[in-house]
Amino acid sequence: QQPVQSPQAVILREGEDAVINCSSSKALYSVHWYRQKHGEAPVFLMILLKGGEQKGHEKISASFNEKKQQSSLYLTASQLSYSGTYFCGTEILVYGNKLVFGAGTILRVKS
Amino acid sequence: GAGVSQSPSNKVTEKGKDVELRCDPISGHTALYWYRQSLGQGLEFLIYFQGNSAPDKSGLPSDRFSAERTGGSVSTLTIQRTQQEDSAVYLCASSQFENQPQHFGDGTRLSIL
Repeated sequence: QQPVQSPQAVILREGEDAVINCSSSKALYSVHWYRQKHGEAPVFLMILLKGGEQKGHEKISASFNEKKQQSSLYLTASQLSYSGTYFCGTEILVYGNKLVFGAGTILRVKS
Repeated sequence: GAGVSQSPSNKVTEKGKDVELRCDPISGHTALYWYRQSLGQGLEFLIYFQGNSAPDKSGLPSDRFSAERTGGSVSTLTIQRTQQEDSAVYLCASSQFENQPQHFGDGTRLSIL
């Protein structure tokens, strides 16, 4: 039931790009993305609803492939402030409107 | 406006004691969620309240855990007869409606001695 995130961790230099994937074995209704910095609460990034649309947020965007039950988060021209743990939360209607979160992807951006 | 407020921010208690954790959601938010996050781990769903509907308790790990939401606003998570494995950060989140962005509080760090 828990979505699988990959990679588990990634280290980038400023200006490099990264992709974080989130896959589910169940049909998804929506995917949420959050970022959590060390010692802080998770912060919402974006929601994607089934339909394969891509959303953007500054230099961070995401896509949702309904057929593959997969979402990808794209971080372009990474900045130091992008460092943190990224979580995807998946909503599977048959389980109600709760989110089931993946284990997280640790992203570290170095100068 | 004010965000999600949780209290206490830290709680240290002895094994076997009961604890109550409080969450004050953003005003007007109808959905309220409780999660547990162990050190270095992901977010574990515990319980979800939506308006006046019966809560989704499917994530509560044992019958020692319970939660209520009074007047559609403040929520209390109660852990009875605490065990050392209950040590974690307990996060509360609220959203305007279901399927909307969730706003998290800073959490309560619970340590069981």
